[in-house]
Amino acid sequence: DAEITQSPRHKITETGRQVTLACHQTWNHNNMFWYRQDLGHGLRLIHYSYGVQDTNKGEVSDGYSVSRSNTEDLPLTLESAASSQTSVYFCASSRRVGSEAFFGQGTRLTVV
Amino acid sequence: GIQVEQSPPDLILQEGANSTLRCNFSDSVNNLQWFHQNPWGQLINLFYIPSGTKQNGRLSATTVATERYSLLYISSSQTTDSGVYFCAVGMNYGGSQGNLIFGKGTKLSVKP
Repeated sequence: DAEITQSPRHKITETGRQVTLACHQTWNHNNMFWYRQDLGHGLRLIHYSYGVQDTNKGEVSDGYSVSRSNTEDLPLTLESAASSQTSVYFCASSRRVGSEAFFGQGTRLTVV
Repeated sequence: GIQVEQSPPDLILQEGANSTLRCNFSDSVNNLQWFHQNPWGQLINLFYIPSGTKQNGRLSATTVATERYSLLYISSSQTTDSGVYFCAVGMNYGGSQGNLIFGKGTKLSVKP
């Protein structure tokens, strides 16, 4: 079955380190997204991509970057991890603008 | 940007009771989805419903796009319905049409 997978599921890292979270989807969806979920804030958009080589900043993009070299993957990189980036991160994908989006299982990141 | 408001923020039910969750949004949308976040943190797709009415078992949803609201009905609630219910919408215009904007959720607790 087609799916969207995130890895790792849990990670602990130290302040200042570079961290990359993986997101892989097998639906051949054009659109991919990264969100973070924090208590009191719900889910907020970090970055999004509407196709290969296309990346855009979302609401809370500072300190994060993404790249889209193929349809299936949208890795999220924290350039220099900060304690404020401790959160649960969700990746999502959708076929086209306005179509149903599907979410991965999430990555719990702790920055110490 | 578009505002998404969910009500009530918290809801406690006795098993077997019915409930209605509401989502109001401030602008024209091309996408509206309801999600259930289970106690393990996974986001489960309930309905993709930019307009009209859908039913799936004990759950049903109605979106009245012209009046900018959506309702999620849960009938004969079960303890497994506990969790947080999110409404998310996609704007109908602009460069970020494909993105989902989330409400802050309704936390539902169903007591046995």
